[in-house]
Amino acid sequence: NAGVTQTPKFQVLKTGQSMTLQCAQDMNHEYMSWYRQDPGMGLRLIHYSVGAGITDQGEVPNGYNVSRSTTEDFPLRLLSAAPSQTSVYFCASSGRTGAYEQYFGPGTRLTVT
Amino acid sequence: GENVEQHPSTLSVQEGDSAVIKCTYSDSASNYFPWYKQELGKRPQLIIDIRSNVGEKKDQRIAVTLNKTAKHFSLHITETQPEDSAVYFCAASGGATNKLIFGTGTLLAVQP
Repeated sequence: NAGVTQTPKFQVLKTGQSMTLQCAQDMNHEYMSWYRQDPGMGLRLIHYSVGAGITDQGEVPNGYNVSRSTTEDFPLRLLSAAPSQTSVYFCASSGRTGAYEQYFGPGTRLTVT
Repeated sequence: GENVEQHPSTLSVQEGDSAVIKCTYSDSASNYFPWYKQELGKRPQLIIDIRSNVGEKKDQRIAVTLNKTAKHFSLHITETQPEDSAVYFCAASGGATNKLIFGTGTLLAVQP
């Protein structure tokens, strides 16, 4: 099993550009989530999904969209990138809910200039 | 919604000493409390977790204690080693959504 994969590993965007961060898991996990990690701020929940077709907002959802059309994939879309979105983004999945072990992807380092 | 506070933000200990990291949570419905370790440049990984029906859990040199009344839980690492140096995150989950909320992290440095 590949576990949780994320692409790209690094990305530089200009302010106002849009892009999609990809996340996929091959463990048949129902629960998937996106976090951003900033120095001194810990891991902040952006959006999460409890199954295909179901998504909900986390702590910092503004400026991000998600969809969950399949169990395997949970892409994160930046609609109009801003410098404040410069961060490391982690995707995670677990077998049932957030109340079980989360398996994290390797992360995407995003810089917005 | 849930809010998790974590202290201290940095902790330096001598090899062989013990380290304690404390967290408090706000949502009394939370019932799952994991701890993650993140080494530099790597992804977070679960090291220990505890559920609300248990007051303490131990795994070799690490232990977690939970006080539901006070809404706080702690990570204890004994006989610290240089390879314990990392950022440690506490988290809480539960309630209607079961989403997982993290604390702000503690940078632990073990001095040889």
